[in-house]
Amino acid sequence: QKEVEQDPGPLSVPEGAIVSLNCTYSNSAFQYFMWYRQYSRKGPELLMYTYSSGNKEDGRFTAQVDKSSKYISLFIRDSQPSDSATYLCAMSLNSGNTPLVFGKGTRLSVIA
Amino acid sequence: EAGVTQFPSHSVIEKGQTVTLRCDPISGHDNLYWYRRVMGKEIKFLLHFVKESKQDESGMPNNRFLAERTGGTYSTLKVQPAELEDSGVYFCASSPLPRTGGIEQYFGPGTRLTVT
Repeated sequence: QKEVEQDPGPLSVPEGAIVSLNCTYSNSAFQYFMWYRQYSRKGPELLMYTYSSGNKEDGRFTAQVDKSSKYISLFIRDSQPSDSATYLCAMSLNSGNTPLVFGKGTRLSVIA
Repeated sequence: EAGVTQFPSHSVIEKGQTVTLRCDPISGHDNLYWYRRVMGKEIKFLLHFVKESKQDESGMPNNRFLAERTGGTYSTLKVQPAELEDSGVYFCASSPLPRTGGIEQYFGPGTRLTVT
C-alpha cells in the first residue's frame, strides 16, 4: 500500500466551477498536510498547509484534514483558467527538517 | 530574492556515463533536499542535508548516487554509472531551520535526466 494515494486525473472543469481534490494516506504519524501547485516545467510551489486536523481557508482555496479517516481535501472556489496546473498533496511527520511524502498529483484544467 | 536554481535544466546521456547535477539553494537556507520523480510515479525523497552534513539519505536508491554539499552552500548529485531507470526529473528544495522559518520547502525547477 502506498503511503499517499492521489487520483492523477486529468480533471477538466469549466471556469467558475468548484473543484475538489483529495488524497488518502496510511501513516497516522503524519502531522503536516500540504498542497503544492506545479505549473508545467516548474518546480512545486506551496499553496497552503494544515497542521493536524481541521480546516484552513485562503482566498478561494480551502484545505481540510480529517485524521480519523486519513483523508485530506483541497477545494477551489470560482476556479479560473490560471488555476490550471498539477496539484500535489504532501505530508510530513514534523515541521521543518523532515522529508515530504507526495501523492502523484492531480492534473487540473479549467476551461474558459 | 533568487529562488532555488538547478543546472542543467535537461541532460541526455548514454547508459554507463556519468552525470552531475547541481543545486544552488536560497541563500541562508541550511536545509537542502533532493527529490526525484520517475515518469508516472510520485515525487520521492532522496536525501537531506543540514548545512554540509547528510541528515538523512534513506531515499538514495543505490551506491551509484553520490551527493555532496561542500561548505554548506550548493550541492551536487552525481550518478555514476547511469542506468536507464535513473531517468526522471530531479528536484532540489531548500528551507531555513525550523526556528527561523516556517515549514515550506522551496523547490527548484528540476533537472530532467534522460538516460538512453
